[in-house]
Amino acid sequence: EAQVTQNPRYLITVTGKKLTVTCSQNMNHEYMSWYRQDPGLGLRQIYYSMNVEVTDKGDVPEGYKVSRKEKRNFPLILESPSPNQTSLYFCATQGANTGELFFGEGSRLTVL
Amino acid sequence: AQSVTQPDIHITVSEGASLELRCNYSYGATPYLFWYVQSPGQGLQLLLKYFSGDTLVQGIKGFEAEFKRSQSSFNLRKPSVHWSDAAEYFCAVGALRKGNKLVFGAGTILRVKS
Repeated sequence: EAQVTQNPRYLITVTGKKLTVTCSQNMNHEYMSWYRQDPGLGLRQIYYSMNVEVTDKGDVPEGYKVSRKEKRNFPLILESPSPNQTSLYFCATQGANTGELFFGEGSRLTVL
Repeated sequence: AQSVTQPDIHITVSEGASLELRCNYSYGATPYLFWYVQSPGQGLQLLLKYFSGDTLVQGIKGFEAEFKRSQSSFNLRKPSVHWSDAAEYFCAVGALRKGNKLVFGAGTILRVKS
């Protein structure tokens, strides 16, 4: 079954404590991205990756890092989380020929 | 700049009634348009997409959408709403190319009353 798997699904942390949200896909897609969802703002792209070792900033990259060492994995790193990063995060992959995004189930992060 | 506007933040319809969710976009090139649905606690599921051809597209769960270039709109419709359709709906626009970024609207929350 085609899947995009994120972990953890829920996390409460404190300001400044580094955390990583993992994302793994089994569809062999080259393109992966991270979005955050906030009420009234829809989904906004944080970072994306066109392929292994190729990453670039999206619309709201401040406070985040990513890496793409393997095709299937695209972790999102918050080096020093702040309360304004409290949000619902989605990892997505993209089919090569359709433009369609396939989403993970989301990771709800609360930073106190 | 690319943008998507969903004018209605909340919509409430009675079960069995028809539904139309509005979506207007601004995009410099030929747009590729999507509707996604998000049920509570779930990820986003693709309802339908428009790339080219027939401007009326059919999707899953009985939904359809019509692309109107002259109005820059891509409204989502369903003739008879079911209680299970209660969810948040997102319209998105992008380009059909590798590495395409989708730009999303703010979403419309659909409530269904029995």
